Amino acid sequence: DGGITQSPKYLFRKEGQNVTLSCEQNLNHDAMYWYRQDPGQGLRLIYYSQIVNDFQKGDIAEGYSVSREKKESFPLTVTSAQKNPTAFYLCASRLPRTGEAFFGQGTRLTVV
Amino acid sequence: DAKTTQPPSMDCAEGRAANLPCNHSTISGNEYVYWYRQIHSQGPQYIIHGLKNNETNEMASLIITEDRKSSTLILPHATLRDTAVYYCIVRGGATNKLIFGTGTLLAVQP
Repeated sequence: DGGITQSPKYLFRKEGQNVTLSCEQNLNHDAMYWYRQDPGQGLRLIYYSQIVNDFQKGDIAEGYSVSREKKESFPLTVTSAQKNPTAFYLCASRLPRTGEAFFGQGTRLTVV
Repeated sequence: DAKTTQPPSMDCAEGRAANLPCNHSTISGNEYVYWYRQIHSQGPQYIIHGLKNNETNEMASLIITEDRKSSTLILPHATLRDTAVYYCIVRGGATNKLIFGTGTLLAVQP
């Protein structure tokens, strides 16, 4: 099946540790996105990538890093510099012609 | 990208039409209007999009005003499963950024 896969669904980490969230797509989309969602809030853009080996900061990039070495993969690292990392993280890719975005099911990160 | 404004919440009776408004008064000529919805703790789902003509698909209809400064998403016969947060987004031009607002929580009542 074509789609976006985020793993794991739930992730627990100790404060001060870096953690990498996986996002893989087999839709052959160039553009990919990472969002953060806090309880009762909308989605905030962390990073986005329009093509392999290129990415841009979104509105809340501080404390996060990404890479885009392959078209299919756009992993997000939550570093120890992120002050409030506990949140729901969503990855998306976008169909180039219509602009329709497809989302993964999210990773809920809890830092204790 | 143009900013959008939506009411924070709305109620709708099951079986009735749900009309969700969105203001995008700063929209420019080449920007599309997109609608997504997010059911609790899931990833958002694409519903529909349009530029200036009204659009309809199997999920919903999108009505865009002639001046394009606002739009309405219509769910013709709302069901309990349509309870979700609905996001209106404006996107276009050279940027590929997708910026979501806070959306409208639609509660469909039995």
